[in-house]
Amino acid sequence: GENVEQHPSTLSVQEGDSAVIKCTYSDSASNYFPWYKQELGKRPQLIIDIRSNVGEKKDQRIAVTLNKTAKHFSLHITETQPEDSAVYFCAASWSSNDYKLSFGAGTTVTVRA
Amino acid sequence: EAGVTQFPSHSVIEKGQTVTLRCDPISGHDNLYWYRRVMGKEIKFLLHFVKESKQDESGMPNNRFLAERTGGTYSTLKVQPAELEDSGVYFCASSQLALAKLFFGSGTQLSVL
Repeated sequence: GENVEQHPSTLSVQEGDSAVIKCTYSDSASNYFPWYKQELGKRPQLIIDIRSNVGEKKDQRIAVTLNKTAKHFSLHITETQPEDSAVYFCAASWSSNDYKLSFGAGTTVTVRA
Repeated sequence: EAGVTQFPSHSVIEKGQTVTLRCDPISGHDNLYWYRRVMGKEIKFLLHFVKESKQDESGMPNNRFLAERTGGTYSTLKVQPAELEDSGVYFCASSQLALAKLFFGSGTQLSVL
């Protein structure tokens, strides 16, 4: 099955700075890579996703990049704000069952005011 | 629209007891998934329903776990008898298509003492 590694496990940034979270995956046939954000006490919510035919996708202050050759993808948050504080999970689809996602262990992001 | 709802939000039981978790997906979502996060690690796939049928239950830890989705609406996940290692957060998610955006519930925090 798919194995997803996520780093760092915790990240503290000053408000206004950028935050970067990196993930690697093992199955070269994976083709769907979503990112979820879970605020304290709330449910995980999809914030951005990318498919393997695209190298980069941006939505306002967040962007995701995908390097299929190296089998890694990253989440970039620019101009961080206190409301960006949350746990972020990356995920990758299984090759033969692309409805099934393997998640990383999560990154706890703290934005210091 | 109403989101995915899970009940209970927290459950504390003793080893050997039985617990049943419930998930109500978003109305009209044929696909329902159970995931589990243990001890701050990755969110792991447990199983996938398409309507009332189990499409994939390869992530179920053992035969102490039983999931049902009678009538293709809500789903239950029963753990009997519960063991200490079953503690964690159990998430339910639903989607309209097999690999469309997953909508998560808030999870059930299960503590087995």
